[in-house]
Amino acid sequence: AQTVTQSQPEMSVQEAETVTLSCTYDTSENNYYLFWYKQPPSRQMILVIRQEAYKQQNATENRFSVNFQKAAKSFSLKISDSQLGDTAMYFCAFMLYFGNEKLTFGTGTRLTIIP
Amino acid sequence: KAGVTQTPRYLIKTRGQQVTLSCSPISGHRSVSWYQQTPGQGLQFLFEYFSETQRNKGNFPGRFSGRQFSNSRSEMNVSTLELGDSALYLCASSLRDAGEAFFGQGTRLTVV
Repeated sequence: AQTVTQSQPEMSVQEAETVTLSCTYDTSENNYYLFWYKQPPSRQMILVIRQEAYKQQNATENRFSVNFQKAAKSFSLKISDSQLGDTAMYFCAFMLYFGNEKLTFGTGTRLTIIP
Repeated sequence: KAGVTQTPRYLIKTRGQQVTLSCSPISGHRSVSWYQQTPGQGLQFLFEYFSETQRNKGNFPGRFSGRQFSNSRSEMNVSTLELGDSALYLCASSLRDAGEAFFGQGTRLTVV
């Protein structure tokens, strides 16, 4: 079974600063995806960024980037130039390749951007 | 392109009743998954349907069931509701094996 751990229940940062959210996971599988999802107060779960385990290059999406360390089973999210709209719960999630659409989520990090 | 649509957005039910929630996936997506989100247990996988067949099931009692129709729309049903079933129920649709899941806005179920 896979597990995902987010050890930071809450974080806050000043607007325009950079913040890094941590995530570790445990699996015996070699082929999988990792995700960061954002859930604002509207409750809509929004995909922020995705990483395929076989890719060594870290994924980036505009102000969002990840630091994927496969051997250490670590997958952190960096948000640069943080904006008020980034205030949300952030969930790290894991999905196996092929034949399994099941997402395993961490417990989430509540991020607050301070004006 | 329309996103994932869940109806209703809010529900209040009495303990012992049953409830049916609906999810319409993104056009072309044939996989639909359901999740329960509670403050205590977090996000937990309920089940996944693909081409009208349940492919994966989480660790929930048999009171939780689902189905998928030929147009990929899915319903989940909870019978004999308990207070602990109060939760946000999220539906996600995906192109199977594409490694992406897109969520609806959820149905907030309150059992009183």
